[in-house]
Amino acid sequence: AQTVTQSQPEMSVQEAETVTLSCTYDTSESNYYLFWYKQPPSRQMILVIRQEAYKQQNATENRFSVNFQKAAKSFSLKISDSQLGDTAMYFCAFYNYGQNFVFGPGTRLSVLP
Amino acid sequence: DAMVIQNPRYQVTQFGKPVTLSCSQTLNHNVMYWYQQKSSQAPKLLFHYYDKDFNNEADTPDNFQSRRPNTSFCFLDIRSPGLGDAAMYLCATSRDSGAVAGLQETQYFGPGTRLLVL
Repeated sequence: AQTVTQSQPEMSVQEAETVTLSCTYDTSESNYYLFWYKQPPSRQMILVIRQEAYKQQNATENRFSVNFQKAAKSFSLKISDSQLGDTAMYFCAFYNYGQNFVFGPGTRLSVLP
Repeated sequence: DAMVIQNPRYQVTQFGKPVTLSCSQTLNHNVMYWYQQKSSQAPKLLFHYYDKDFNNEADTPDNFQSRRPNTSFCFLDIRSPGLGDAAMYLCATSRDSGAVAGLQETQYFGPGTRLLVL
């Protein structure tokens, strides 16, 4: 069974600085999808970024980018120019066709003014 | 805007009193999911519908049931809520056509219903 690990339960970063959240996963599949979801306090979970395992190029969405290391089964999220609105729980998730999403335990990120 | 809608946003029920949470979507997605999320934890999948096919997770208690009368709507029924069922319940949708590539596999979440059991 696939598992997703987020080794940092909590992190903090100063506004405007850069922070990296780590995620590792375990799978024997070669084709799958990885996601980072953001869940602000008392608000809706939204997709931040996704990566297809067959693509070598790292996904980027504005200030959010990933470092996807397939051989190492690592999928970290880098947030550049952190903003107060980035304060949230961040969940790493894995999906393989025909199976269910597997979420990591989450990292609580606090952006400090 | 296409979206996933959950009603109500907050639900208070009494111990043992049946309660129904609802989810609707305008995305025309064929897969709908129900998750339970307790404070500061990852969402836990309860079950999902692939079109009309119901898929229950092995560890989902019998106390939890679901109905999907049509593509747009899905309901979560808790037959006899206990104090341990107090949680946020998230509905999510995705389009799974069986294709390998594309955006279909992304799950889109509703705002959740927070259930309080007294």
